[in-house]
Amino acid sequence: EVQLVESGGGLVQPGGSLRLSCAASGFSVRSNYMAWVRQAPGQGLECVSVIDSGGTTYYADSVKGRFSISKDNSQNTLNLQMSSLRLDDTAVYYCARRWYTGGFDYWGQGTLVTVSS
Amino acid sequence: DIQMTQSPSSLSASVGDRVTITCRASQTISSYLTWYQQTPGKAPKLLIYAASYLQSGVPSRFSGSGSGTHFTLTISSLQTEDFATYYCQQTYTAPYTFGPGTKVDIK
Repeated sequence: EVQLVESGGGLVQPGGSLRLSCAASGFSVRSNYMAWVRQAPGQGLECVSVIDSGGTTYYADSVKGRFSISKDNSQNTLNLQMSSLRLDDTAVYYCARRWYTGGFDYWGQGTLVTVSS
Repeated sequence: DIQMTQSPSSLSASVGDRVTITCRASQTISSYLTWYQQTPGKAPKLLIYAASYLQSGVPSRFSGSGSGTHFTLTISSLQTEDFATYYCQQTYTAPYTFGPGTKVDIK
């Protein structure tokens, strides 16, 4: 059974850093495109970062230069290193698998990141 | 990045109604368009991929069409469990941007 479980969310001050992890089971993150999608309170979905099967990374303009996506193939996990956090980074962060059909077919339950002083 | 728009932003409908939601891309994305359904507190659920293909397990009352820059999601006969927010997403170019969403609520 495919499962994604995020961890690492919490309260952080503006300008701080946080590292999110997503533990995958039932498939290999190494051979799949993976993504982080966030949703601010009461707002829509934003795809903030994608990493493809070859390790090439992509970022939304809103996080470029501040966030870094990576895979740990030995642990079968997806990571998101977030730095220089801003108030508007407050959101639930989901990890998701992009299937070959193009859509994100499996999602985690989400982890809440709150940036506040 | 490719910009996605949706209309309407919200709609009120009754059980049994036919509902159509429109999604437009700022540039051509061929058929690289996915539709999701999201209910409060839950992760999105994939409904339609490649513009018109029904994801396994999704009821046949959901259908999608379109290509290029103009796409539609249709619910042929709205059911109680369909009251939710619907998002389109382009998967043509990473990062894969979403539309702003369409909230479907009970009239």
